[in-house]
Amino acid sequence: RKEVEQDPGPFNVPEGATVAFNCTYSNSASQSFFWYRQDCRKEPKLLMSVYSSGNEDGRFTAQLNRASQYISLLIRDSKLSDSATYLCVASRGSTLGRLYFGRGTQLTVWP
Amino acid sequence: GAVVSQHPSWVICKSGTSVKIECRSLDFQATTMFWYRQFPKQSLMLMATSNEGSKATYEQGVEKDKFLINHASLTLSTLTVTSAHPEDSSFYICSARVEGLYGYTFGSGTRLTVV
Repeated sequence: RKEVEQDPGPFNVPEGATVAFNCTYSNSASQSFFWYRQDCRKEPKLLMSVYSSGNEDGRFTAQLNRASQYISLLIRDSKLSDSATYLCVASRGSTLGRLYFGRGTQLTVWP
Repeated sequence: GAVVSQHPSWVICKSGTSVKIECRSLDFQATTMFWYRQFPKQSLMLMATSNEGSKATYEQGVEKDKFLINHASLTLSTLTVTSAHPEDSSFYICSARVEGLYGYTFGSGTRLTVV
């Protein structure tokens, strides 16, 4: 079983829509979680960290459920520029070690 | 701050030749560098972890004699793909972590095509 599992999509939504991505992780030792954004043929870029209490950054909201080992990302009021692949990422231990990447969920926002 | 410069951004080489990819930390000292490989529509897969001044730790299934990693200084890590084959064609990305810096910085990636 993979360390981090994601629905690969693709998700195709109109501008202004709300879209949610889900992710599960298999190792209960995972302690740090992130969402990265990757544009085509580019490197991943950190979108936001995910905290147990849930956190919001503008139109983006991340949630973590440790009991279910489940992570989510909600994007409100989608913009064309949100089109990308969103990577769910976990790291084990209290100090940052290697990252475990999901295969990514592809999002296309159309006008 | 915390920029990693990766070169080349793309390279085409013939089967059997070797290719070197460089990652330089421009404004910080990278004590640990991670090397990933990503095939189309797949996740980033960690190949190896290198620490400055010591031998790299390779993930299971990654041939250390084929993918040579050198991390001789705190600002430079290199990955050499030796005797490249078409199946080595992929997107290679480095990522640095530095003590005290939360998060990771990624290089811009190298797209390798072996013909």
